[in-house]
Amino acid sequence: DAGITQSPRYKITETGRQVTLMCHQTWSHSYMFWYRQDLGHGLRLIYYSAAADITDKGEVPDGYVVSRSKTENFPLTLESATRSQTSVYFCASTPASPGELFFGEGSRLTVL
Amino acid sequence: AQKITQTQPGMFVQEKEAVTLDCTYDTSDQSYGLFWYKQPSSGEMIFLIYQGSYDEQNATEGRYSLNFQKARKSANLVISASQLGDSAMYFCAMRRTGGGNKLTFGTGTQLKVEL
Repeated sequence: DAGITQSPRYKITETGRQVTLMCHQTWSHSYMFWYRQDLGHGLRLIYYSAAADITDKGEVPDGYVVSRSKTENFPLTLESATRSQTSVYFCASTPASPGELFFGEGSRLTVL
Repeated sequence: AQKITQTQPGMFVQEKEAVTLDCTYDTSDQSYGLFWYKQPSSGEMIFLIYQGSYDEQNATEGRYSLNFQKARKSANLVISASQLGDSAMYFCAMRRTGGGNKLTFGTGTQLKVEL
C-alpha cells in the first residue's frame, strides 16, 4: 500500500543501547522529517532531509543520527539511548512543492 | 526564529456548538504557511487546513475554517457544529517559505466535545 510506514511501532530498550527507527515512504517525496512528541512540547524537529544524501539538523538533534541513502528511506538512530529519549517519534514526508506534511503512525520508544 | 503559541492546553465544547482554538505565531518572514493538524487518541496526525500568508480569503474545509488575522499574527481554528469525533489534540504549525519545508509546531490544545 502507498504511504509512509514506521517500524517498530513500539520499542522498549535500555539505557546505553543503540536503537534504530525505520521510516519508509512510497510516494518518492523529496523531503522527509523526524519529529519527537512530548507532553508540553508539541512536536519538535530532530532532523530533516531535502533529498537523498542531504540531511540537516532540526531543533533537537543531540543524541540522534540519520542517513538517507535512498529517497524512500530515512532511518533514525539513537546511538546510545537515554531515558530523556523516551518519546513518540513521528516520521513525515512532503514533496518538493510546499504542502502539508504526511505523517507516519508514530513509534513509541521507552528507554528504561 | 519562528514560534507558535497555543495558550489553551484544554478546551471543552458541547456537541453541535462552535469552538475556536487559538494560535498565534511569531515570524519576521513575509511569506509563510499556517497549518492545523488533528491528533485523535489513536495517535495519528491528520492534516485539517492550510492558510498561506498571501491568501486574502480565510481558508475553509468543511466544518473547519481558519480565522487568519495577519496583523495580529493569529491563525485560529474554528470548528463549527462540533461532533463527538472532534475530541482530539489539535496542533497549529507554521512553515517558512524557503525554510526546507519543515514545520514548527505549537504545544497543542486538547479538545473535549461533550454531550
